[in-house]
Amino acid sequence: DAGITQSPRYKITETGRQVTLMCHQTWSHSYMFWYRQDLGHGLRLIYYSAAADITDKGEVPDGYVVSRSKTENFPLTLESATRSQTSVYFCASSEEVVTEAFFGQGTRLTVV
Amino acid sequence: DAKTTQPPSMDCAEGRAANLPCNHSTISGNEYVYWYRQIHSQGPQYIIHGLKNNETNEMASLIITEDRKSSTLILPHATLRDTAVYYCIVLNYGQNFVFGPGTRLSVLP
Repeated sequence: DAGITQSPRYKITETGRQVTLMCHQTWSHSYMFWYRQDLGHGLRLIYYSAAADITDKGEVPDGYVVSRSKTENFPLTLESATRSQTSVYFCASSEEVVTEAFFGQGTRLTVV
Repeated sequence: DAKTTQPPSMDCAEGRAANLPCNHSTISGNEYVYWYRQIHSQGPQYIIHGLKNNETNEMASLIITEDRKSSTLILPHATLRDTAVYYCIVLNYGQNFVFGPGTRLSVLP
């Protein structure tokens, strides 16, 4: 099915562990984004990518790593998870930066 | 920083029009006005966007003032399913979406 999918939908991990959140889109959109959403902060941009092999930092990139070896995938890795990274993570894609962005259903990550 | 100001919450009766205001007094000539909404726990959903002219699609209408310093999103016949947080965003090419706190719209039966 066409769309943007995130996996897993829910994840519990321990402090210090590495965890990777997956994002896959089927439209061949050039742009992909990762946001986190916390109570009191709204949606904040972590990283974005304008094309395969091109990534750039957003507002809150510390503690996260991204890669984009293929246009359709944009994984987000927490190299050493901390409790402050407990959040809901949303991936999005768009054809251009000022066109409609499509968001995934989110991954709820809990770091204990 | 978000470039927009929205009321934190609004109520609307089911079946009536919901008019959600947004102030963007510092908007520049090439910046678009976008509206998204987020229904509880789901990812944000695109509604509509515009530059200067009013726009309408199957979901809503966007009215932009002549000086472009403010806009109004109109949901013509609100339903309970329209209860959500609505985000007004201003951006240009080369920028990224910055989500403010939005307006929490409650559609009441």
